[in-house]
Amino acid sequence: DSGVTQTPKHLITATGQRVTLRCSPRSGDLSVYWYQQSLDQGLQFLIHYYNGEERAKGNILERFSAQQFPDLHSELNLSSLELGDSALYFCASSEWGDQETQYFGPGTRLLVL
Amino acid sequence: GNSVTQMEGPVTLSEEAFLTINCTYTATGYPSLFWYVQYPGEGLQLLLKATKADDKGSNKGFEATYRKETTSFHLEKGSVQVSDSAVYFCALSDRETGANNLFFGTGTRLTVIP
Repeated sequence: DSGVTQTPKHLITATGQRVTLRCSPRSGDLSVYWYQQSLDQGLQFLIHYYNGEERAKGNILERFSAQQFPDLHSELNLSSLELGDSALYFCASSEWGDQETQYFGPGTRLLVL
Repeated sequence: GNSVTQMEGPVTLSEEAFLTINCTYTATGYPSLFWYVQYPGEGLQLLLKATKADDKGSNKGFEATYRKETTSFHLEKGSVQVSDSAVYFCALSDRETGANNLFFGTGTRLTVIP
């Protein structure tokens, strides 16, 4: 158990819908990262937040957005969903003193029908 | 840019066999290198890491050495067990940008048979 929690574990929805994925980092970690794991694209970095502020963006679609709240939990919002958005979404956190070492949550499996 | 290339899988080995999974990288700066493992139905777990040239990361019998001259970070284990069956990902962190996000290889699925 990494100490990073993600909810829900599974999500099934329809095309065109909007969903919110939630992540709670390890206690004391200020950084939260979001990654997408899909069969065709592999594991890709989406976005990084540090203490409530966006730090870096990767291959994140404009239909996707994220935020980190004052209690440091983060949410990833996916809208106008398409079949190709079906994937595993991972959240990871890292501590201030060693930001390179990331601890991953169990993931949210999203299925868009 | 930054990228990681891993050997294609799947890899099937008998218990107690020697394991090597090749990993090479391209980086704009001087990256840190990682191996993560993903067991069925679970998230990624950090297996080992190395932050500078000639460093050796090790954990649970697995080892990898940071080779700057060959831009490689191959994973090895002397004697695999059935419980090592998983998908292994090589990754790098680009410290130049300060972003610290990870770039992953495509993953190598290892199956160990008794």
